[in-house]
Amino acid sequence: TQLLEQSPQFLSIQEGENLTVYCNSSSVFSSLQWYRQEPGEGPVLLVTVVTGGEVKKLKRLTFQFGDARKDSSLHITAAQPGDTGLYLCAGEGGSNYKLTFGKGTLLTVNP
Amino acid sequence: GAGVSQSPSNKVTEKGKDVELRCDPISGHTALYWYRQRLGQGLEFLIYFQGNSAPDKSGLPSDRFSAERTGESVSTLTIQRTQQEDSAVYLCASSLALWLERTDTQYFGPGTRLTVL
Repeated sequence: TQLLEQSPQFLSIQEGENLTVYCNSSSVFSSLQWYRQEPGEGPVLLVTVVTGGEVKKLKRLTFQFGDARKDSSLHITAAQPGDTGLYLCAGEGGSNYKLTFGKGTLLTVNP
Repeated sequence: GAGVSQSPSNKVTEKGKDVELRCDPISGHTALYWYRQRLGQGLEFLIYFQGNSAPDKSGLPSDRFSAERTGESVSTLTIQRTQQEDSAVYLCASSLALWLERTDTQYFGPGTRLTVL
């Protein structure tokens, strides 16, 4: 069974601070996705990383896929209250359609 | 609407009753997925449809859970004889199933929050 561990589970910071959340596994994934979920809504895809060592930037968000394709990180620069939400990582491995989700990091950015 | 819709948004039921949850995927999306999200947990895969057939039902927790899809569109997730541990948010997603191109994106609905008393 493939598992994804996310850390920290909860994170509360002030506006303007930087933060990094982690997604780790002992399994290799062919790709890894990051989602953001707001209360009462479904997750929304932020990015997909496919190649080991890949780095993708989305405005103030930087996503990195580990060289061995077992882990990933999400770094947010100068966090804003609008970044508040549950950040989920999901790995694709084995079956193309089946995603394994982590439990998420609940981020709160205080004004 | 252009997105995935689910109904009802909230459902409160008594233990032992049956419930039906509905998902309307994005038009033209051949793949449809059901997930369960318990409080404080990630998404748990339940079942996947390609067209109207379900090649993977491995995530269904018990034989009380079933799902069907008709017309390559609407899907219904049925839970019979509900138990308190079934309380969760049930999420539906759809996609174009472009796995070979690695550009496939699952679009999620807002979910149905099920509470079993």
